[in-house]
Amino acid sequence: DAGITQSPRHKVTETGTPVTLRCHQTENHRYMYWYRQDPGHGLRLIHYSYGVKDTDKGEVSDGYSVSRSKTEDFLLTLESATSSQTSVYFCAISEGPFSNYGYTFGSGTRLTVV
Amino acid sequence: TQLLEQSPQFLSIQEGENLTVYCNSSSVFSSLQWYRQEPGEGPVLLVTVVTGGEVKKLKRLTFQFGDARKDSSLHITAAQTGDTGLYLCAGGDQGAQKLVFGQGTRLTINP
Repeated sequence: DAGITQSPRHKVTETGTPVTLRCHQTENHRYMYWYRQDPGHGLRLIHYSYGVKDTDKGEVSDGYSVSRSKTEDFLLTLESATSSQTSVYFCAISEGPFSNYGYTFGSGTRLTVV
Repeated sequence: TQLLEQSPQFLSIQEGENLTVYCNSSSVFSSLQWYRQEPGEGPVLLVTVVTGGEVKKLKRLTFQFGDARKDSSLHITAAQTGDTGLYLCAGGDQGAQKLVFGQGTRLTINP
């Protein structure tokens, strides 16, 4: 009954290679978010989407791009992976834009760039 | 840019003790949320507080939103080992498309 799934759960990749992470939801929520989580930094927003083909940058968007061609899928691409992008990546969904709406998070993708 | 500062960053106590975790900002938020995250999983929403001075209780957890809507606290009574985890506060402006998260408080309850 997850409602939101991330794939892959773990990935090791080499510096300079492109990487795409996938977030899939079955809740038909309009809003989707990509965060990265690093020790001492909490959750930092990379990109978010407020509808199909509607996306915007977060606070740490450099080196990342996103696409949303369907309501249920939000893809995060690292164009050319660097070691500084080693992190745990979380996708989240929300019914609405206001902060009153809770976020539902996926289980995360642990990415290691070597 | 709105910032949320959580304190303490790390807390280790014995089972049965009480504790309070704080979330502070110089900015006003329209509402504030608390999440708990366990190892290997994403954060899970515990509560949303929306009114200045509001107090919400979830079993042994008590959440309070400051009168000026700039701060919040989480109090746990008679902590249990199952309370162990990372606690995150998050807030946003009315109309904001996204939340701002604090850096988290890592809580360890020892048996």
